[in-house]
Parts: sequence; structure tokens; C-alpha cells
Amino acid sequence: GDSVTQMEGPVTLSEEAFLTINCTYTATGYPSLFWYVQYPGEGLQLLLKATKADDKGSNKGFEATYRKETTSFHLEKGSVQVSDSAVYFCALIPRSGNTPLVFGKGTRLSVIA
Amino acid sequence: DAGITQSPRHKVTETGTPVTLRCHQTENHRYMYWYRQDPGHGLRLIHYSYGVKDTDKGEVSDGYSVSRSKTEDFLLTLESATSSQTSVYFCAISDGRDQPQHFGDGTRLSIL
Repeated sequence: GDSVTQMEGPVTLSEEAFLTINCTYTATGYPSLFWYVQYPGEGLQLLLKATKADDKGSNKGFEATYRKETTSFHLEKGSVQVSDSAVYFCALIPRSGNTPLVFGKGTRLSVIA
Repeated sequence: DAGITQSPRHKVTETGTPVTLRCHQTENHRYMYWYRQDPGHGLRLIHYSYGVKDTDKGEVSDGYSVSRSKTEDFLLTLESATSSQTSVYFCAISDGRDQPQHFGDGTRLSIL
């Protein structure tokens, strides 16, 4: 079945550092891809999405580009803030099958001042 | 924010007791989902619904049942709670199977 693999965390960065969280996927066809963010004590929030190859999703300074050649959807931000500390989940909606949404295991980001 | 309310937000109960968690939405979305989140396992789908009275099992459905008698409400029931069902439970909704899901704030359930 379809799957998502994220880089292991935790990731610790200093404020204003560049962030990359790697995400690769295995899927039949071309799934829709998402990044969700979960702040402490809260539910998951949709951060950005891309529905076809070469699409770039962006929100709150975060970006990710749908790369079908490398089956990747890496999350990037040019300058992180302490308030970006959270758990980030990469996910996909399969084009077929019974699972509505497939998640990666999540990557915890801690940003220190 | 999507109009999703989960209740209760916290619950502590004893092994063997029945527990029902409620998810209420004000978005009139067709799809509703129940997940559990546990350290080391990420989010796992329990059950989902694609319409009133239409439900299907997810990855970890054993020990759980669901009901959806109205578009806005999706109930998750643990008929006889066990300690392994201690978890944080999230409800999500979407307007279609190929649309992004939006999540509630979760219910923290502890079974002693």
C-alpha cells in the first residue's frame, strides 16, 4: 500500500536557522500531498498542500514542492522562529484503496532562542 | 478554523466500563473520521464515515464501534474499555474523500 517516510526527529534549531524536513512517499499514481502541523496540546492543522506534480504549496513562510521524479515533498522554511516549535506530519491521499489519508510518523521540531 | 467540537476533552475511567466520545461538526461535511495518536505510532485510523449510517473500518478498529445518525455527529464507543485504549483521540472531517481533512482538538482518554 501507499506509504510516507519522514526524517526522524527531534530536530533542534536556533532561531532564524533554515529548516528542511524530508518527506518521501510510495504511491500508485499521483497522490495529493500535505503537510500538517501539531502544536503542543492541540489537534493537527493543515499547513500546506499540493495536488499535482511540480505544484508548490506555501503558507506562513513554509514551502514544499511536489517532486514526482524523486517522489518527495520536503518542507522548508528560510528562517524559523521559536513559535514554529511543533510536530510536523507529511501525508498523502491515495488515488485508490480504502485508506483515506496516509501519514508519516511525524517530526518534532524545537527552535531555541 | 473548521467547526469541530470534541467532547469530552479529558476523561478518566476504569477498565471494563463503556465510554462514548462525541464529535460534532458545523461544516456539513460528508466525511468524518476517528483517529488515535500514540507515541511511536503516529496517527492511526479507527473508523470513518462517508455519510449518515455509512461507516467503514480503519487500521485499528478492534474494540471500537461508531455511529452516525446525523450529518453533524459521529460517535466513537469503547464497549468495554481496556488500558491499551488509553490514548489521545482525534476527530477529523472532510468535504470529500480527496479533500484535506481538518482536525478537532482531541480527547485525552485514560483508562485505569
